[in-house]
Amino acid sequence: AQKITQTQPGMFVQEKEAVTLDCTYDTSDPSYGLFWYKQPSSGEMIFLIYQGSYDQQNATEGRYSLNFQKARKSANLVISASQLGDSAMYFCAMRDGAGNTGKLIFGQGTTLQVKP
Amino acid sequence: KAGVTQTPRYLIKMRGQQVTLSCSPISGHRSVSWYQQTPGQGLQFLFEYFSETQRNKGNFPGRFSGRQFSNSRSEMNVSTLELGDSALYLCASSLGGGSVGTGELFFGEGSRLTVL
Repeated sequence: AQKITQTQPGMFVQEKEAVTLDCTYDTSDPSYGLFWYKQPSSGEMIFLIYQGSYDQQNATEGRYSLNFQKARKSANLVISASQLGDSAMYFCAMRDGAGNTGKLIFGQGTTLQVKP
Repeated sequence: KAGVTQTPRYLIKMRGQQVTLSCSPISGHRSVSWYQQTPGQGLQFLFEYFSETQRNKGNFPGRFSGRQFSNSRSEMNVSTLELGDSALYLCASSLGGGSVGTGELFFGEGSRLTVL
């Protein structure tokens, strides 16, 4: 069965430092997509980055990069140069199959707090 | 362009009542998905509508239903409310077609339902 595991319930990072949020996944489908979303206290989920299972290179979006290790089934999010506004809940999610459906499986999330 | 709009943002209902939540997707998006978020269960997929048809369904009882209109706006209904239905209900829209691009979901700010 498809599953996303985020083992870090909470993380602290000093402002301007880099932080890695862990995510492992399980699926038997060779085609899948991995997402990271940020959820501030307002509740809205904000898309950060995407990695397709067939993508050869790790995805990057500004200060966000995804460390994709397919054999280990891990998709860790790296945030460089943390900012106070990065304090939020972060979710790793997966979509099975090649189509762009709206069905994502989410992990339990990691709460990140950035300290000044 | 305007984002995903959910109404109402907050509501309180009594056990046994029913509730209808509304979601207006981003213009041009044909897929609307609904998620339930609770502290205990996390983010769980309810269902997805694409071009007025239910395309995917999660593991929720029949008390949870939805529909999509020709303008892609969607509603979800919960009948015979239970205390455990108290949650943040998130709507997400996406283009939803084919496998072009990341197919990222754009989320609204959610409707926070409290059942007393």
